Amino acid sequence: EADIYQTPRYLVIGTGKKITLECSQTMGHDKMYWYQQDPGMELHLIHYSYGVNSTEKGDLSSESTVSRIRTEHFPLTLESARPSHTSQYLCASSESGGDTGELFFGEGSRLTVL
Amino acid sequence: AQKVTQAQTEISVVEKEDVTLDCVYETRDTTYYLFWYKQPPSGELVFLIRRNSFDEQNEISGRYSWNFQKSTSSFNFTITASQVVDSAVYFCALSESPHNNDMRFGAGTRLTVKP
Repeated sequence: EADIYQTPRYLVIGTGKKITLECSQTMGHDKMYWYQQDPGMELHLIHYSYGVNSTEKGDLSSESTVSRIRTEHFPLTLESARPSHTSQYLCASSESGGDTGELFFGEGSRLTVL
Repeated sequence: AQKVTQAQTEISVVEKEDVTLDCVYETRDTTYYLFWYKQPPSGELVFLIRRNSFDEQNEISGRYSWNFQKSTSSFNFTITASQVVDSAVYFCALSESPHNNDMRFGAGTRLTVKP
């Protein structure tokens, strides 16, 4: 069972609000990721981090920002939410090392912006 | 550029039927990694299998089996004697680097197993 947690699981907010989606893992993984999952199910990488103070943008452009001040914590922030941000956001982590391994996913945060 | 295609958007079967989920990939690299993940209704993706490009040996794990064929760039997943608990969205994914930041997911196949 993966030890990666996301809060909130569901969030409904109005346009213009600032929101932060929390993601924490207790596995000591250096690598962490945020994926956006469209209603049509496809996943797109929007942010990733290789460790503390490391953050990079993924292949899907996103207005969100992330920070990595602690190994176990990788929050995602939207300064001013819009209806186009409505989506499911999935956080994941993986072990470091030269061999690509599995990603451990949280249960996701489903965001609805009215 | 790498790409993963899961042509089957939705599949519905009756319990105990066998079902195969197709995955076709594109890559220019000779070294790459293929994955299958399961996303149950609870939301989190669960890792099922990883295959590297040098290992074409098929794998069986209980009722699950995977058929990797480089000649057709396919990595198909078969569930034998399906059960209601197998109902989920299944994703095939491809990574060319050891860092996971380039992992590409297919669009997913929603499998419904009816009792």
